[in-house]
Amino acid sequence: DSGVTQTPKHLITATGQRVTLRCSPRSGDLSVYWYQQSLDQGLQFLIHYYNGEERAKGNILERFSAQQFPDLHSELNLSSLELGDSALYFCASSIRTGMNTEAFFGQGTRLTVV
Amino acid sequence: DAKTTQPPSMDCAEGRAANLPCNHSTISGNEYVYWYRQIHSQGPQYIIHGLKNNETNEMASLIITEDRKSSTLILPHATLRDTAVYYCIVRANFGNEKLTFGTGTRLTIIP
Repeated sequence: DSGVTQTPKHLITATGQRVTLRCSPRSGDLSVYWYQQSLDQGLQFLIHYYNGEERAKGNILERFSAQQFPDLHSELNLSSLELGDSALYFCASSIRTGMNTEAFFGQGTRLTVV
Repeated sequence: DAKTTQPPSMDCAEGRAANLPCNHSTISGNEYVYWYRQIHSQGPQYIIHGLKNNETNEMASLIITEDRKSSTLILPHATLRDTAVYYCIVRANFGNEKLTFGTGTRLTIIP
């Protein structure tokens, strides 16, 4: 158990809908990262938050957004869903930014868009 | 981030040492080498990381060559539960803390 909690574990929704994925980082971790893993793309970095502020963006679609709340949990919002958004979404947390800090991953949310 | 090159797949007999190589010839002097693994579709699991010295923890050992252009992850006594995809990642210095995952090495432990 990494200490990172993601909910829900599974989500099935229709095209055009909007969903929210939730991540609770390890106790004391200030950094949260979101990754997407689809069959043909591997693990892709989406976005990084540190202590409530956005620090870095990857190839995150405009239909996707995220935020980190004062209690440090984070949410990833996916809207106008398409079939191609079906993937595993992972959240990771680390205690701080900078080098030499390992990140711990949650077990992911499997999103299926039908 | 420096790119890494790993063999796509490897087999190892149960109980033997598994040695997973990684080339990172363009690594910068202040970049660390990280290893993660992903068992089936679970979340990636941190294994070990290092800068230039060899490192060992309860899971594995990391051997980094003197020129830092390559490294080897060693699982000393592989078990069936070590079957996974192993990712070697070189992580940039300040200002870009993301982990960039490549395609990794699919390690299969043979009974």
